[in-house]
Amino acid sequence: NAGVTQTPKFQVLKTGQSMTLQCAQDMNHEYMSWYRQDPGMGLRLIHYSVGAGITDQGEVPNGYNVSRSTTEDFPLRLLSAAPSQTSVYFCASSYGTGGWNEQFFGPGTRLTVL
Amino acid sequence: AQRVTQPEKLLSVFKGAPVELKCNYSYSGSPELFWYVQYSRQRLQLLLRHISRESIKGFTADLNKGETSFHLKKPFAQEEDSAMYYCALREAGTYKYIFGTGTRLKVLA
Repeated sequence: NAGVTQTPKFQVLKTGQSMTLQCAQDMNHEYMSWYRQDPGMGLRLIHYSVGAGITDQGEVPNGYNVSRSTTEDFPLRLLSAAPSQTSVYFCASSYGTGGWNEQFFGPGTRLTVL
Repeated sequence: AQRVTQPEKLLSVFKGAPVELKCNYSYSGSPELFWYVQYSRQRLQLLLRHISRESIKGFTADLNKGETSFHLKKPFAQEEDSAMYYCALREAGTYKYIFGTGTRLKVLA
């Protein structure tokens, strides 16, 4: 199993550009989520999904869109990038939606918005 | 608002010394608490969860509801314990996780 994969690993955008961060998992996990990690802020939940077709907002959803058309994929879209979105982005998944299920994290995408 | 606080950004200890990484939380309900760890050039991974009352790699964490704490402890630190440690809380009945800001543990030889 590849586990949770994220592409790209690094990305530089100009303000106003759009892009999609890809996340995929091959573990048939129901729950998937996106976090951003900023210095001194820890990880903050952006959006999450409890299954195909079901998404919801986390703590910091503004400026980001998600969709979940398949169990495997959970892309994160930045419609108009802003410098405040410079961050490291992590995707995670877990089996089922029970609270005690371990979250498996991807390697992260480092995004810089100029 | 729910919050997880890790007061130390950096904790340095000598090999063989005891380690305690502090985590305090504010939450009105029954918390579901976790410790995650990120070793250098590795992915963030689960270390332990409070409901399991487990000891992983010599680490334990006890939930103290009176003090709203979930400190991570190890009696004898090893160099391979050097990593970034995050305390996390899941709001019961939701799918939302709240992470602390993390503590970097450095174990000195």
